[in-house]
Amino acid sequence: RKEVEQDPGPFNVPEGATVAFNCTYSNSASQSFFWYRQDCRKEPKLLMSVYSSGNEDGRFTAQLNRASQYISLLIRDSKLSDSATYLCVVNMKNQGGKLIFGQGTELSVKP
Amino acid sequence: DAGITQSPRHKVTETGTPVTLRCHQTENHRYMYWYRQDPGHGLRLIHYSYGVKDTDKGEVSDGYSVSRSKTEDFLLTLESATSSQTSVYFCAISESEGLGGETQYFGPGTRLLVL
Repeated sequence: RKEVEQDPGPFNVPEGATVAFNCTYSNSASQSFFWYRQDCRKEPKLLMSVYSSGNEDGRFTAQLNRASQYISLLIRDSKLSDSATYLCVVNMKNQGGKLIFGQGTELSVKP
Repeated sequence: DAGITQSPRHKVTETGTPVTLRCHQTENHRYMYWYRQDPGHGLRLIHYSYGVKDTDKGEVSDGYSVSRSKTEDFLLTLESATSSQTSVYFCAISESEGLGGETQYFGPGTRLLVL
C-alpha cells in the first residue's frame, strides 16, 4: 500500500464546475499536510497547507480528517487555468519528517 | 518565485557514463533536496542537505551521491548512469526545517535520458 494515495484521474470538468480531490495517507503519525499544484512539464508549487480546522483560500477549500487519515481539496467555480495536476503531500514525522508526495490527480477544465 | 536554477535543463547520456546535475539557489536557504519524478511514483526523495557538507540519504539514494560545498550549490552525481535513472530531477529548497513541514520551493527540473 502506498503511503499517500490519490485518484490519478484525469478529472474532466466544464468551466464553473465544482470538483473535489481526495487523498488518504497510511501513517497516523503524520503531522503536516499540503496540496501542491504542478502544471504540465513544470515544477510543483505550493497551493495551500491543510489545517485540522479546515481552511479556505478563495475558491479553494482544504479539509483534514485525522481519524480517517483523509485529506480533501475542493475547487469551486473551476477556471480553465485550474487545469493542472494536484499533489497531496504529507509530512511523516516518524520517518525523519520527510515529505511524502502522492502521485497526483490530473484536472482538465474544459470551456 | 524562489531563486532556484538547475543545470543542465536537458541531458542525454549513455549507460555507464557519469553525470552531474547542479542546483543553485540565491535565497541562502539552509535545506536543499533532490527528488526524481517518474510516472506512477510521484516525487521521491533521493538525498537532502541540512547545511554545508551535511547530507543524508532519502528514499531512493542507491546509485546517487551528492555534495554541498557552498550554501548555494547542491550537486547530484550519478556515478555510472543506468537506464532506470532516466527521469525528471527536481531540486528543492526550504528556509528552515523543511523535513518538519516547512514549505519547499522547487527548481524548474532537469530531464535526463539515459540510453
